[in-house]
Amino acid sequence: DAGVIQSPRHEVTEMGQEVTLRCKPISGHNSLFWYRQTMMRGLELLIYFNNNVPIDDSGMPEDRFSAKMPNASFSTLKIQPSEPRDSAVYFCASTYRGGNGYTFGSGTRLTVV
Amino acid sequence: QKEVEQDPGPLSVPEGAIVSLNCTYSNSAFQYFMWYRQYSRKGPELLMYTYSSGNKEDGRFTAQVDKSSKYISLFIRDSQPSDSATYLCAMSGSNYGQNFVFGPGTRLSVLP
Repeated sequence: DAGVIQSPRHEVTEMGQEVTLRCKPISGHNSLFWYRQTMMRGLELLIYFNNNVPIDDSGMPEDRFSAKMPNASFSTLKIQPSEPRDSAVYFCASTYRGGNGYTFGSGTRLTVV
Repeated sequence: QKEVEQDPGPLSVPEGAIVSLNCTYSNSAFQYFMWYRQYSRKGPELLMYTYSSGNKEDGRFTAQVDKSSKYISLFIRDSQPSDSATYLCAMSGSNYGQNFVFGPGTRLSVLP
C-alpha cells in the first residue's frame, strides 16, 4: 500500500488566494482526519470524517476553511481566502475503525505570504 | 488545564541511555493510548498502541499505562541517534469513530 498520499507537498501562495489541499487515504480505511501542526499550537484536529460523513468540524478555525470527502478515496481541505496565519503543516490521517492507530500522510507545508 | 500534557523538552541524552517519555491526562474515560514518533519535516508514525492499563513491549520500546494516576510512559532502551525525533502521545475513550487527542510532543535528541 502506498500509504496516505497528500498533495501538494509544499504550497506558497499570496494572501487572499484560494488554497486546496488534497488527500488520498489508505484503501479500506473508513475514517479520515485533517490536522494542522504549528510550533506554537502543536497538532490540532480540524475535522474528521467517518464513512465520508463529517463527524466533528469544531476544530475548523473559521468559515474560510472547508473540507469535503466526496468518496472513500479522496478528500480536500480548502482555505478561501488564505491569510498569513494559516501558514502551517497540514496533515491528513486515516484509520479503519481506529484499530492499530492512525496512518499519517507526509503533510503539506503551506506558506501564505 | 490541557486535556493531555507532555514536557516539550528538548531532552538530550547520550547514546545507549534509557529514555523515559511521559504524558499526563485529565479525562478518566481515556482507555486507548498511542505513541507516535515524528522526524523533522515528516508525518507522525505510530510506534505503540495500547489498551487500558499495563505494559506493552516491542523491541527497544516499552509503553506503560497507569490509569489510576492518569499517566502513561514510553521507555526507549539502548537509545540511538536515530531515535532523535519528537514523540507524541495520543489517547481516546473509544477505538472507533472517535478522535484521538494528541499531546504537544517531547523533542528528544540522542547524542553520539
